[in-house]
Amino acid sequence: DVKVTQSSRYLVKRTGEKVFLECVQDMDHENMFWYRQDPGLGLRLIYFSYDVKMKEKGDIPEGYSVSREKKERFSLILESASTNQTSMYLCASSLSGARDTEAFFGQGTRLTVV
Amino acid sequence: AQSVTQPDIHITVSEGASLELRCNYSYGATPYLFWYVQSPGQGLQLLLKYFSGDTLVQGIKGFEAEFKRSQSSFNLRKPSVHWSDAAEYFCAGMTTDSWGKFQFGAGTQVVVTP
Repeated sequence: DVKVTQSSRYLVKRTGEKVFLECVQDMDHENMFWYRQDPGLGLRLIYFSYDVKMKEKGDIPEGYSVSREKKERFSLILESASTNQTSMYLCASSLSGARDTEAFFGQGTRLTVV
Repeated sequence: AQSVTQPDIHITVSEGASLELRCNYSYGATPYLFWYVQSPGQGLQLLLKYFSGDTLVQGIKGFEAEFKRSQSSFNLRKPSVHWSDAAEYFCAGMTTDSWGKFQFGAGTQVVVTP
């Protein structure tokens, strides 16, 4: 089974801190994603990576950056955390270009910025 | 703009009753469509997916969905709901010109009453 692992289930950070959210997948997927989930807004794509060192902005990239140095690992970085970044963050991965594809999700990281 | 819409934010259903969750899409070409379920505090799990062919798709946990091109819909159904079906349900879409960029609806929260 595909496994997508997020390093933390819960995080509490202070305003202005630099925050790293880590995600690892074990199925050699080319694509990896970071979504943010807020009540009533569904999942919104922050960043998307289709290969090592390759990335594309999603719908809400402001205040975030990403890093993908290895195929299995995709990190989300909050350069200077703010209270409006308090949210649930979901990492996902998928095969690229496959007709029979789907997104596999991690358990999520609930980040609180105080 | 490409999008997926879930018109119902919240649905309450009695245990044993039937359930139908609505999903409408707006894409230039026929999209790939998915339904995911999220139990409290968990990541998203795939229920079923549609790529082409038979418009009635069977999924896990007794769910099915029907793709209707004429109505731009992909509604999820279950004939008899169990208490364990209480969760949030997300419809998602993707097209081949945006490989990997899954777009999610806002979600429908399902409450099951005894």
